[in-house]
Amino acid sequence: EPEVTQTPSHQVTQMGQEVILRCVPISNHLYFYWYRQILGQKVEFLVSFYNNEISEKSEIFDDQFSVERPDGSNFTLKIRSTKLEDSAMYFCASSRTPLYGYTFGSGTRLTVV
Amino acid sequence: DAKTTQPNSMESNEEEPVHLPCNHSTISGTDYIHWYRQLPSQGPEYVIHGLTSNVNNRMASLAIAEDRKSSTLILHRATLRDAAVYYCIPDNAGGTSYGKLTFGQGTILTVHP
Repeated sequence: EPEVTQTPSHQVTQMGQEVILRCVPISNHLYFYWYRQILGQKVEFLVSFYNNEISEKSEIFDDQFSVERPDGSNFTLKIRSTKLEDSAMYFCASSRTPLYGYTFGSGTRLTVV
Repeated sequence: DAKTTQPNSMESNEEEPVHLPCNHSTISGTDYIHWYRQLPSQGPEYVIHGLTSNVNNRMASLAIAEDRKSSTLILHRATLRDAAVYYCIPDNAGGTSYGKLTFGQGTILTVHP
């Protein structure tokens, strides 16, 4: 069964550093998303991306965050200057069309020290 | 966003049916009802979704009340692998907020051998 692949599975970074989280969505999917889950808390929507532009973003997705689909296969989330509170599991998801549900990756655990 | 209410936790024995309820009394007429689950240390996994009619797939069945204010996810024979947090999420898949899933706390399902 097709999968959404995320790399790395775990990233440790120093506060203030830039990180890029990578995702390879399912190949025929057109809609792409990032979510995050702080340990012990709910899964939270960050951003949706369609037709090479952001469709919607949450309040969490401030100027420190950006997304890109640089080459038609990868979908990346960049955090420019990480803070301690950015420590969380980050999940990428994709969908052929939202009517058919969303496939999530297994996540990247980001630890900011 | 439509508000959902689910039991915090439920328990079942292996190979017995499980009925997971969800109230979504403020659901709009165009919201699909999605169910996702999250196994420990993994990303959310799509289970099933529906609009008005009851739905079946290889994982589960979804029974939707006639007034659409509640639904029930049915696992016909629980296995140990079904132990997870189950989320009921109304999704306006055809609207402007497609992909912006709002996860609640969900129901923690424990399956006993």
